[in-house]
Amino acid sequence: RKEVEQDPGPFNVPEGATVAFNCTYSNSASQSFFWYRQDCRKEPKLLMSVYSSGNEDGRFTAQLNRASQYISLLIRDSKLSDSATYLCVVPRSGAGSYQLTFGKGTKLSVIP
Amino acid sequence: NAGVTQTPKFRVLKTGQSMTLLCAQDMNHEYMYWYRQDPGMGLRLIHYSVGEGTTAKGEVPDGYNVSRLKKQNFLLGLESAAPSQTSVYFCASRRPDRGPNEKLFFGSGTQLSVL
Repeated sequence: RKEVEQDPGPFNVPEGATVAFNCTYSNSASQSFFWYRQDCRKEPKLLMSVYSSGNEDGRFTAQLNRASQYISLLIRDSKLSDSATYLCVVPRSGAGSYQLTFGKGTKLSVIP
Repeated sequence: NAGVTQTPKFRVLKTGQSMTLLCAQDMNHEYMYWYRQDPGMGLRLIHYSVGEGTTAKGEVPDGYNVSRLKKQNFLLGLESAAPSQTSVYFCASRRPDRGPNEKLFFGSGTQLSVL
């Protein structure tokens, strides 16, 4: 299994739809996880942290399944402004603990 | 509070030329990073630093050098630019915390083209 793996998409969904992305990770020792949002040609920005079983912030819900080693991001009532690439980020542990590994991202396009 | 500032924002080089990208952060962060982002490849770590005067290699360090003489600055150098170094470069910084506060703050990026 790759360190961090995401479905690249693109996911094309209509406004108002619910969409979910998954991210699998290989390091079973990882304790915290992150979803970043990246708009075209811009820097990534933190969307959500996931530390325990999950986290919810408005229309966004992140869930963690340690047994199966994946995290998911659920977006409800999609808006046009949600169109972006969503990056899954997993900190390394042990000797590489200063580093964070990025998935290649899942592209979301919300269509009018 | 500017956060993380990268200069320049755009640069075009000829093969063999050298240049330095500057990253400055005003958040007193211990850790700083240089990433490159290419289409279909995601963000890849070039070099990083866990404190003033220390640097370490990341995933793709070849062709790059770095220095962290001051805590707030992290410089990325290309001694002899190659077309394969055409990319978008992002600098990032963070506190040494683990857990939910282990989040990165990014600069706005540098678009580098090597002809």
